[in-house]
Amino acid sequence: EIVLTQSPGTLSLSPGERATLSCRASQSVSSSSLAWFQQKPGQPPRLLIYDASNRATGIPDRFSGSGSGTDFTLTISRLEPEDFAVYYCQQYDNSYTFGQGTKLEIK
Amino acid sequence: QVQLVESGGGVVQPGKSLRLSCAASGFTFNIYAMHWVRQAPGKGLEWVALISYDGYNTYYGDSVRGRFTISRDNSKNTVFLQVNSLRSEDTAVYYCARAQSGSYRQPFDYWGQGALVTVSS
Repeated sequence: EIVLTQSPGTLSLSPGERATLSCRASQSVSSSSLAWFQQKPGQPPRLLIYDASNRATGIPDRFSGSGSGTDFTLTISRLEPEDFAVYYCQQYDNSYTFGQGTKLEIK
Repeated sequence: QVQLVESGGGVVQPGKSLRLSCAASGFTFNIYAMHWVRQAPGKGLEWVALISYDGYNTYYGDSVRGRFTISRDNSKNTVFLQVNSLRSEDTAVYYCARAQSGSYRQPFDYWGQGALVTVSS
């Protein structure tokens, strides 16, 4: 099983700042089969990024994804108030596993 | 627009069974693989099961294999999850999610609002 480890567990930032979230895999994720999701309380996850760097439909361009192999990053270039949420990475290369999540909170 | 609506959740005693349904609309259901994902209260996401677009192939997470069964009825645009021998650790919100296409190495692009299953005596 591919284990995904996200860091940090909690990230405290202010609106307008840049957020950098990390996702590290226990073994290489081939074909960059990695996605990022945003989840707000009481809502289902929302797909942000797929194939490591492709934005999903309707996702603002302040969200970007990068990385390959075992190290992946989600960057939010300039935080808006609605961006404060929990973010999960997921691999779909070898079965399906999720990271434990990073909570992005307002400082 | 794509919609996925789960139903069938509730409170159930340990060892009992439940059948969850997910009604799909707004897309051509019979060409997409479908998943179930669960989330225990205050916890992260756990993949549960996958069914191929035609229903012939199914796959399960280790923690549910042998107890849960995923199926689909393409004539009714619905995917099901039969959950048997329920345990307290199965308490969670159960989401159905659509794969981005009919193949397996695809992200989950649309999710339902979820159905809460509570296992308690």
